[in-house]
Amino acid sequence: EAGVVQSPRYKIIEKKQPVAFWCNPISGHNTLYWYRQNLGQGPELLIRYENEEAVDDSQLPKDRFSAERLKGVDSTLKIQPAELGDSAVYLCASSLEGRDTQYFGPGTRLTVL
Amino acid sequence: AQSVTQLGSHVSVSEGALVLLRCNYSSSVPPYLFWYVQYPNQGLQLLLKYTSAATLVKGINGFEAEFKKSETSFHLTKPSAHMSDAAEYFCAVSDLGGGNKLTFGTGTQLKVEL
Repeated sequence: EAGVVQSPRYKIIEKKQPVAFWCNPISGHNTLYWYRQNLGQGPELLIRYENEEAVDDSQLPKDRFSAERLKGVDSTLKIQPAELGDSAVYLCASSLEGRDTQYFGPGTRLTVL
Repeated sequence: AQSVTQLGSHVSVSEGALVLLRCNYSSSVPPYLFWYVQYPNQGLQLLLKYTSAATLVKGINGFEAEFKKSETSFHLTKPSAHMSDAAEYFCAVSDLGGGNKLTFGTGTQLKVEL
C-alpha cells in the first residue's frame, strides 16, 4: 500500500514569492492534516480536513496561508507571500477516520531566502 | 490544554545498552499517547500508541512504553540499542475530544555509539 505522497520534497524561494505544496493521502483515508515543523521542534497542526471540509484551521495564519481539498482526496497548501519565518518542514498526514492513527508523508522542506 | 515534555533533547547510548527516552504529559482528559520516530529527511513513523487498553505497549523494532497515570509519564524503552536506532523520537498526546489533534513534544535525538 502506498504511503502519503508529498511534493516537492525541497523548495527554495525568495521572500515575498508564492509557494505551494501538494499532498496525496493514503487511499481511502478521509482525514487529512497539514503540520509545520520548525527546526528543533515537534510538528504543529495547521489545518485538519474531514473529506472536503476544513474542520480545524484555528492555527492556520489566514493572512498568507490557504489550503484546499476540493474532491476530498489530495490537498494543496499555499503560502503567499512567503516570509523568512516560514522556513520549515511542512508535513502532511492522513488517517482513516478522525480518531485513527495518523500516517505521515516525508514532508516538504521550505527555505525562504 | 494538552502538552508534552520530553526530558533531554539529546541522548547518547552505546550499542547494546538500554535506551530510555522520557516523556511526561499533561491532559485534562484521559489521553491517547504516541511515540513517533523520524529519520533524517523523512516523515514521522509510528512506533507505538497507548489507547487506554494495556498500560505496557509494545511497538515496532523492539521498543515498548509504559503508561503510568500516577506519574503522568509514557517513557520509551528498548533493552538493547542498535546503530539503526539513531534518529529523532517524538512523544505526542491526543485529545480525541479535540478531533485527534496531536500535540508533540520537542523531540529527543538519540545517538548510538560503538
